[in-house]
Amino acid sequence: ELKVEQNPLFLSMQEGKNYTIYCNYSTTSDRLYWYRQDPGKSLESLFVLLSNGAVKQEGRLMASLDTKARLSTLHITAAVHDLSATYFCAVVDRSYGKLTFGQGTILTVHP
Amino acid sequence: KAGVTQTPRYLIKTRGQQVTLSCSPISGHRSVSWYQQTPGQGLQFLFEYFSETQRNKGNFPGRFSGRQFSNSRSEMNVSTLELGDSALYLCASSLDPNTSGANVLTFGAGSRLTVL
Repeated sequence: ELKVEQNPLFLSMQEGKNYTIYCNYSTTSDRLYWYRQDPGKSLESLFVLLSNGAVKQEGRLMASLDTKARLSTLHITAAVHDLSATYFCAVVDRSYGKLTFGQGTILTVHP
Repeated sequence: KAGVTQTPRYLIKTRGQQVTLSCSPISGHRSVSWYQQTPGQGLQFLFEYFSETQRNKGNFPGRFSGRQFSNSRSEMNVSTLELGDSALYLCASSLDPNTSGANVLTFGAGSRLTVL
């Protein structure tokens, strides 16, 4: 059974600082997603990573994928308050066509 | 382009009752999947439908069921509600998750169910 683990689960950052969220998964997968969820809201797609070494960037967020290590990272550069949210990684199990989500990382950015 | 529409957005039921939730996917999307989100268990996959057929099912009891219509709209039903069924139920649509390519799942706003 595919397992997806994120760390840290809670992240309190100061504005302007950098940090990285890690996502490890247990079995081979060819597709990894990052989503953002604001309190009381639905999930918003951030990135889709399809191949080993893939890197995607949008604003202050950059995601990468190492399929050999079964690891994805979401790097936050010069955090701002608007980035406060819960971030989920999710992996497709190619046998089942479903997403298995990590526990989520609650990010709070302080002034 | 309209997004994924879920109805109702909020509902309150009592134990033992049943509930039906509806999901209208993005036009052209043929796959609809359902997820349950709770503080304790996180996001858990319920089932996925494609062309009116259930292709995948998560580890939920038989009280949870669903269906998909020819226009790709989907419904899920929970019978004999229990307190633990209180959750945010999210529907997502995509072209077809089992094809190659990005195939992003787009989520609806969710239906928040409270069971008293």
